[in-house]
Amino acid sequence: NAGVTQTPKFQVLKTGQSMTLQCAQDMNHEYMSWYRQDPGMGLRLIHYSVGAGITDQGEVPNGYNVSRSTTEDFPLRLLSAAPSQTSVYFCASSPKGGAGNQPQHFGDGTRLSIL
Amino acid sequence: AQSVTQLDSQVPVFEEAPVELRCNYSSSVSVYLFWYVQYPNQGLQLLLKYLSGSTLVKGINGFEAEFNKSQTSFHLRKPSVHISDTAEYFCAVGGSNYKLTFGKGTLLTVNP
Repeated sequence: NAGVTQTPKFQVLKTGQSMTLQCAQDMNHEYMSWYRQDPGMGLRLIHYSVGAGITDQGEVPNGYNVSRSTTEDFPLRLLSAAPSQTSVYFCASSPKGGAGNQPQHFGDGTRLSIL
Repeated sequence: AQSVTQLDSQVPVFEEAPVELRCNYSSSVSVYLFWYVQYPNQGLQLLLKYLSGSTLVKGINGFEAEFNKSQTSFHLRKPSVHISDTAEYFCAVGGSNYKLTFGKGTLLTVNP
């Protein structure tokens, strides 16, 4: 049972570099989302998707792009990394109905440091 | 708009003592309420949820929570905690807008 798989688990970038955080789920969930977790801030929603081809912004979308070409995959792209994007990133998925009334399944996170 | 306030950032308790982690929410629409737990270096796991019906909700690991609409609260309780309950706990509120809003978390530390 893979569930939600995030890669890489750790990454160090230099300011200005770009990269893609990968997220894949094997539960055929329609809803997927990306959060960032910072100390004392809880989890904040970056972007979400209610199905293939449909994405929308969350609370803190600036500096991030997403796309959803398949049900399984929901990559998060950092366009030009900044130190303020140092964080732990979590991907989550849930069945049809979205995050509002469905429990979410979380990956183990990607720990990203921007120097 | 919806929001969640977790009233305590840290709660230290002794093993076998009872514990209550407090959560207040605000929402302009029907609410769905969740508690998640995060163990060190792991993702979040669902503890329990309130969608409708009985206001007392039982979850995994002996935890329960009570939905109080008049006080807009959803406090988490356990009558007797174990060392293994040491973790960070997050309250979250969802609505019909596909978004889940988390509180800032409460670090529960269980001491021997």
